Amino acid sequence: EAQVTQNPRYLITVTGKKLTVTCSQNMNHEYMSWYRQDPGLGLRQIYYSMNVEVTDKGDVPEGYKVSRKEKRNFPLILESPSPNQTSLYFCASRPGTGSNQPQHFGDGTRLSIL
Amino acid sequence: GENVEQHPSTLSVQEGDSAVIKCTYSDSASNYFPWYKQELGKRPQLIIDIRSNVGEKKDQRIAVTLNKTAKHFSLHITETQPEDSAVYFCAASRAGGFKTIFGAGTRLFVKA
Repeated sequence: EAQVTQNPRYLITVTGKKLTVTCSQNMNHEYMSWYRQDPGLGLRQIYYSMNVEVTDKGDVPEGYKVSRKEKRNFPLILESPSPNQTSLYFCASRPGTGSNQPQHFGDGTRLSIL
Repeated sequence: GENVEQHPSTLSVQEGDSAVIKCTYSDSASNYFPWYKQELGKRPQLIIDIRSNVGEKKDQRIAVTLNKTAKHFSLHITETQPEDSAVYFCAASRAGGFKTIFGAGTRLFVKA
């Protein structure tokens, strides 16, 4: 089954404790992206990747890092999480680097930073 | 920077009525406009999309219209059903670009 898999689905942690949210897709998609969803703000793009070893900042990259060492994986790293990063996070992918294609979303990761 | 404004933020309709959600985008180079539906606790899923070379697209009870001159596009749902209740997001992106800008979302309630 074609899917985007995120882990963990839920995480409660404390300020400053490094964490990684994994994202994996099995569709051989070139493009992958991370979004955060906050009430009243919709989905805001954090980082995206056009292909292996090619990443760039979205609209809200502060406090986050990403890597793309393999085509299927695109982890989101919070080196020193803070309470304002409490949010619902979605990973997404699409087939090519051209923008005229829909994205496939993972099931989301709800992060609570205390 | 680019942005997408979406209205209304909340919409309540009676079952069987129509629902219309409107979005306005700022980047005149945008040429792809998807709509996603997000049910409670679930991931966003594409329901319909439109590209800038057409003005309207329809899929059963759902239609999208695009006015490039006004930089405005709308989602129309006819004969609404309780299972249409969800949050709907519009989005815009440009050819050759890598960013997708989403609207803030519309929470649709369909009352039985």
